[in-house]
Amino acid sequence: KAGVTQTPRYLIKTRGQQVTLSCSPISGHRSVSWYQQTPGQGLQFLFEYFSETQRNKGNFPGRFSGRQFSNSRSEMNVSTLELGDSALYLCASSWDISYEQYFGPGTRLTVT
Amino acid sequence: AQSVAQPEDQVNVAEGNPLTVKCTYSVSGNPYLFWYVQYPNRGLQFLLKYITGDNLVKGSYGFEAEFNKSQTSFHLKKPSALVSDSALYFCAVRPRTGANNLFFGTGTRLTVIP
Repeated sequence: KAGVTQTPRYLIKTRGQQVTLSCSPISGHRSVSWYQQTPGQGLQFLFEYFSETQRNKGNFPGRFSGRQFSNSRSEMNVSTLELGDSALYLCASSWDISYEQYFGPGTRLTVT
Repeated sequence: AQSVAQPEDQVNVAEGNPLTVKCTYSVSGNPYLFWYVQYPNRGLQFLLKYITGDNLVKGSYGFEAEFNKSQTSFHLKKPSALVSDSALYFCAVRPRTGANNLFFGTGTRLTVIP
């Protein structure tokens, strides 16, 4: 069974631009979560989608948004990029909340 | 406020010795508990979880974890450490109700010394 895939793996953007990251969950998983990982802040929860509905949202500004499609694939968008948005963005999928999450390799975003 | 604490940023252990990576949490109710491991430049890998039942749960790669309800702890253990166990370990907690996203501790870097 294929794992969680994320595209692109690496991205370099300029301040003020916007970016869209994509995540394809494991087949059959309906829940997709996004996390931001930085050396200073660790792993921070962004949002979670289940069957196309946002179920939980972390404490991030409105520049961060996401969505989930009917095939469970998910995208997250960051508008008006700031230097502090440079991070590893991880996507994870699972059957539901009591089940373990399976993580993708991440997208390394660098904002210059 | 709900929180997960990993009190040790770094744990060093000699190869062949037992290892323990500590985790305590402050979350209402009886949350789901997880351990994940991250190798350099990789995503997180699931090790084990506690949902209900026996307080000692066994997971991948010979790891196990002990749930202690009174101390709200979920320490990760392994009887005999391998050099290949060197990695970053994360404890994670998920409330069963309410705003029940999974949230992580700050991570503990384990180094197994040959």
